[in-house]
Amino acid sequence: EALLVESGGGVIQPGGSLRLSCAASGFTFHAYDMHWVRQAPGKGLEWICLISRDGDKSYYADSVRGRFTISRDNSKDSLFLEMKSLRNEDTALYYCAKDLVAGAFDVWGHGTGVSVSA
Amino acid sequence: QSALTQPASVSGSPGQSISISCTGTSSDVGAYISVSWYQQHPGKAPKLIIYDVSARSSGVSNRFSGSKSGNTASLTISGLQAEDEADYYCSSYTGRSSFVFGSGTKVTVL
Repeated sequence: EALLVESGGGVIQPGGSLRLSCAASGFTFHAYDMHWVRQAPGKGLEWICLISRDGDKSYYADSVRGRFTISRDNSKDSLFLEMKSLRNEDTALYYCAKDLVAGAFDVWGHGTGVSVSA
Repeated sequence: QSALTQPASVSGSPGQSISISCTGTSSDVGAYISVSWYQQHPGKAPKLIIYDVSARSSGVSNRFSGSKSGNTASLTISGLQAEDEADYYCSSYTGRSSFVFGSGTKVTVL
């Protein structure tokens, strides 16, 4: 069974940094593009970034470009999200998701919560 | 990139059919087949139900179907059941390797 498990969330002050991790199992991790998607409390889903299967290409939503960096370690079946200059509006549950095909996210983690507050 | 437009809520009685619309533009929904639908129950992660406009994800009931006309995609749930009560989100490729979700629709089974 394909499984994704996020970790690394927590409470952080505005302007701070945080690194999220996502451990994959049950599928050939290096064969798939991977994404991070977030959901603010009581709000809808927001796509934030994508990394190619080889890790050589990454793409970001305007809301996080220049502040967040997605990366992966295929030798450890792991995905990461480095978040800097955090803002109150970055408070959300962060999900990692596997790309079945062209943005169809067929495997999701349970999410890890990030709260940006003074 | 603004969120795709979905109705805030849709309701129906058990056994009925309902449809949820997802309206975008000629630069996203209207331009690509990469339109997906997700079901999210409270406190749970989203679940992929439809991808590439009308392909059902593995294990998903054939009561769920997807379609698209112009800049609007639609999800139809036939034979509505209590377990279908959830939030539903559409998503679309927008080009330049970016994606956008819909605003979400709460489905209530009366």
